[in-house]
Amino acid sequence: GQQVMQIPQYQHVQEGEDFTTYCNSSTTLSNIQWYKQRPGGHPVFLIQLVKSGEVKKQKRLTFQFGEAKKNSSLHITATQTTDVGTYFCAGPRAGNMLTFGGGTRLMVKP
Amino acid sequence: GAGVSQTPSNKVTEKGKYVELRCDPISGHTALYWYRQSLGQGPEFLIYFQGTGAADDSGLPNDRFFAVRPEGSVSTLKIQRTERGDSAVYLCASSSGQGRWDTQYFGPGTRLTVL
Repeated sequence: GQQVMQIPQYQHVQEGEDFTTYCNSSTTLSNIQWYKQRPGGHPVFLIQLVKSGEVKKQKRLTFQFGEAKKNSSLHITATQTTDVGTYFCAGPRAGNMLTFGGGTRLMVKP
Repeated sequence: GAGVSQTPSNKVTEKGKYVELRCDPISGHTALYWYRQSLGQGPEFLIYFQGTGAADDSGLPNDRFFAVRPEGSVSTLKIQRTERGDSAVYLCASSSGQGRWDTQYFGPGTRLTVL
């Protein structure tokens, strides 16, 4: 079945440093979605990418969808303590059910 | 407006007992999803409802798990003869059901602990 993998599993950064998480799918995806989960919280939708090679920005966050639509990345510029949490990518199965990656847990030292 | 709500927020039960977990989706959302999240992992799909019917229940791990949505709004996830391995956070999400890939909004989850 479809598998979605993320690396790294954990990332410690100093506040102000950049951060990148990578997502790879075993199958071609119709779209890729990114979620953020704060410690003790629930996943919150960030963005959806649909087109091959698509790049979208949200302030300091840059999301990219690979040309083959099998991989994606999330880059955060100049991290802040408010960026702390786990970032998940997810790809849809048949219908709209999501297969989530294992997540990358970001920790930011002030 | 109100988001997805789930009750209880925490449930502690003993091995072998029966539990029910409730999800109240965003008003007007026709699609409802149940996921399970174990510590340190991503959410794992369990079942998807479109209206009152279970459109896809392929994620349910075995026949001890069952979910209903009788009036197309509130859903209940039922677990029979609970096992310690069922301990996890059970997340519910809803979406409008209008688009092919419409955004899913997650509730706060129910943390189930089976002793």
